[in-house]
Amino acid sequence: ETGVTQSPTHLIKTRGQQVTLRCSSQSGHNTVSWYQQALGQGPQFIFQYYREEENGRGNFPPRFSGLQFPNYSSELNVNALELDDSALYLCASSLALTSSTGELFFGEGSRLTVL
Amino acid sequence: AQTVTQSQPEMSVQEAETVTLSCTYDTSESDYYLFWYKQPPSRQMILVIRQEAYKQQNATENRFSVNFQKAAKSFSLKISDSQLGDAAMYFCAYRSRRGGAGSYQLTFGKGTKLSVIP
Repeated sequence: ETGVTQSPTHLIKTRGQQVTLRCSSQSGHNTVSWYQQALGQGPQFIFQYYREEENGRGNFPPRFSGLQFPNYSSELNVNALELDDSALYLCASSLALTSSTGELFFGEGSRLTVL
Repeated sequence: AQTVTQSQPEMSVQEAETVTLSCTYDTSESDYYLFWYKQPPSRQMILVIRQEAYKQQNATENRFSVNFQKAAKSFSLKISDSQLGDAAMYFCAYRSRRGGAGSYQLTFGKGTKLSVIP
């Protein structure tokens, strides 16, 4: 069984640029969530995708957007990067929206540095 | 909105000893999940233990157990027989059990860094 994989693991961008982060969900999982984890903080929920549609969003501006593909992989796009966007971005997948276990499976994250 | 508070930024424990990490939360809901996640330097969040709010019995997973006090909105994690591999950041997290949009949203605390002394 393949776990959640994310790419790239590290990247450096400059302010104003755009970035795309990618996530392959665990086999059989159809729900993907993205979290932003600033240094020394707990992860903050960005949004969630279920069957290719966004169905929940945290307190993040519209320049944070995403996609989920038919194979349930996902992308997180951030436009007009700001210094405060520097963080670890975590992707998590889960089996089904109505799953009773409530368990998310996380990837190792993408470390974004904005200069 | 739900909030999760971890009041211990750092803790240390002697190898083979027991340590308890604290977590409190605030919610107006009656049905929810609580979790403890471990994040080692590899960065991957790993589920340690889960508690469903409607269950009165405290969850246990091998050396890990919780003390769930629903009325006090407290959810502490006890690690027995601590091992060097337990050293990591530990995050307490809340998830509503209601369905619908954002139903898998986890609200995390700021974490507790646990060091294990040989």
